Amino acid sequence: AQSVSQHNHHVILSEAASLELGCNYSYGGTVNLFWYVQYPGQHLQLLLKYFSGDPLVKGIKGFEAEFIKSKFSFNLRKPSVQWSDTAEYFCAVREKGTYKYIFGTGTRLKVLA
Amino acid sequence: DAGITQSPRHKVTETGTPVTLRCHQTENHRYMYWYRQDPGHGLRLIHYSYGVKDTDKGEVSDGYSVSRSKTEDFLLTLESATSSQTSVYFCAISELDTIYFGEGSWLTVV
Repeated sequence: AQSVSQHNHHVILSEAASLELGCNYSYGGTVNLFWYVQYPGQHLQLLLKYFSGDPLVKGIKGFEAEFIKSKFSFNLRKPSVQWSDTAEYFCAVREKGTYKYIFGTGTRLKVLA
Repeated sequence: DAGITQSPRHKVTETGTPVTLRCHQTENHRYMYWYRQDPGHGLRLIHYSYGVKDTDKGEVSDGYSVSRSKTEDFLLTLESATSSQTSVYFCAISELDTIYFGEGSWLTVV
């Protein structure tokens, strides 16, 4: 079965530090890839997505992600985090040709002011 | 805003009672989903629907049933609630191959 792995469960950073959150998926076919953010007490909101083309995608709030097909990875990055980035981040995959979206277990990011 | 309304938003129920959560959407989306979110497990797909009366199981469907008699409504039913079903339930829709979520329903089974 298709799966999504997020290896960092908890990350603590100081403001202005750089962020990279890992995401790996197991499916070998064509996929669409997503990152979502969930602020405390809220629902998931789309940060960015990759369907095809340039493997480096830019999203909202200064986030970007890079798709590396050979590594089955879609890591999320931000050059300089802010206190307001404190949230939980989820990676998700959709197999092309299906409408099932599979999510990772999430990474809780805490940014210290 | 994906035009999704979940009800109730918060509910406390007793073990063994039936519970129905409602997801209502206003934009005629074909695909609708129910996920549950639990610490350490992320979001897990319970059931999804690809049209009126067309539904399929997700990865954690045991103990849950769904119905979709109208495009705009997708109901999730816990036939006999158990404490392991205490969770946050999110309804979602798919639009242009991207999934968007409702505000969530907090369910506590005591």
